[in-house]
Amino acid sequence: NAGVTQTPKFRVLKTGQSMTLLCAQDMNHEYMYWYRQDPGMGLRLIHYSVGEGTTAKGEVPDGYNVSRLKKQNFLLGLESAAPSQTSVYFCASSHIAGQVSYEQYFGPGTRLTVT
Amino acid sequence: QQQVKQSPQSLIVQKGGISIINCAYENTAFDYFPWYQQFPGKGPALLIAIRPDVSEKKEGRFTISFNKSAKQFSLHIMDSQPGDSATYFCAATTASGGSYIPTFGRGTSLIVHP
Repeated sequence: NAGVTQTPKFRVLKTGQSMTLLCAQDMNHEYMYWYRQDPGMGLRLIHYSVGEGTTAKGEVPDGYNVSRLKKQNFLLGLESAAPSQTSVYFCASSHIAGQVSYEQYFGPGTRLTVT
Repeated sequence: QQQVKQSPQSLIVQKGGISIINCAYENTAFDYFPWYQQFPGKGPALLIAIRPDVSEKKEGRFTISFNKSAKQFSLHIMDSQPGDSATYFCAATTASGGSYIPTFGRGTSLIVHP
């Protein structure tokens, strides 16, 4: 099992450019999440999905869009990148069974710089 | 509003010492409390987790202490090693309302000196 993979690992964008970050998981997990990590701010949830075809906003959704057309993939889009979106982005997935939630599995991260 | 408050922000410990990281939460509906460990350049990975029906859980040198009445939980790393140097995040999750979205603390950067 590859677990959670993210593409690309690094990217530099100019202000106003767009891009899509791809997350893939091979564990058949229902839940998938996108976080951004900034120094001193911890992990902040951007968007999440509870299943194929469904998405919801997290704590910091502005400037981002997501899609989950397939259960194993979760895409994060930046339509018009801004320097404030310079960050490390992590995707995660988790399994939910009944009323019990389990650990999140994180990808290796994408380091994005917007100039 | 920060629902999970983590302290300290950074911690320096000598090899062989005890590292202690604390977290406090507000939402009494939280029912799963994991700790994640993150090495530089890597994604976080689950280290140890506890549910509120027990007051302590130990795995090797790592122990979670949980105080339900005080709404606090802490991570203790015994005999700290340089290889433990990493960022540690506490989190809390509730199934209330059908949402299983974790709330994370802001992280503690631990440095263990040889």
